[in-house]
Amino acid sequence: GQQLNQSPQSMFIQEGEDVSMNCTSSSIFNTWLWYKQDPGEGPVLLIALYKAGELTSNGRLTAQFGITRKDSFLNISASIPSDVGIYFCAGRDSNSGYALNFGKGTSLLVTP
Amino acid sequence: DADVTQTPRNRITKTGKRIMLECSQTKGHDRMYWYRQDPGLGLRLIYYSFDVKDINKGEISDGYSVSRQAQAKFSLSLESAIPNQTALYFCATSDYRTVTDTQYFGPGTRLTVL
Repeated sequence: GQQLNQSPQSMFIQEGEDVSMNCTSSSIFNTWLWYKQDPGEGPVLLIALYKAGELTSNGRLTAQFGITRKDSFLNISASIPSDVGIYFCAGRDSNSGYALNFGKGTSLLVTP
Repeated sequence: DADVTQTPRNRITKTGKRIMLECSQTKGHDRMYWYRQDPGLGLRLIYYSFDVKDINKGEISDGYSVSRQAQAKFSLSLESAIPNQTALYFCATSDYRTVTDTQYFGPGTRLTVL
């Protein structure tokens, strides 16, 4: 499977700050997903995107499906301590069908 | 109750031992997956199954085998465990009948091979 380029690898921020992370792919994707993984748990789906240009929000989280279909970003506004975790992007292209390609994750630390 | 459960949650074993990790789901999904997670590498697909009679290799299937005993159960086996199979293993499910086919993950099994 194809690895996505996810950045930044880690972020250390203060409570209340906004956060932005992104993923890029060398191929066109028809689906972009953003997951969050808490320590000791499995990834939990945050936002799913299915159309180029789509902008979707889930509370303080906003994600967009890039117009080129090769990238996506996730923004978290007004971060809080419980936002701590690892955030993964995942994408699906026309060749992989069922399979998800995962980024390596962005580790987020939030200090009170 | 959790929709996707994995047992055991933690396992320490020795090189050469046979290990089975189990996954059960109550979501009624046909598709099930096994992933491996290593630090800094994200998740990589080991095997997947679209229904009870369908088993397919993923990106990193060498050294692993699977069994789909029922729609709700999908087991991963390491026939002869080796230290580089030390990792976090996740089971996931999805519903092909939905347009999105979104994958839902279990809580994971942490496996250590000494």
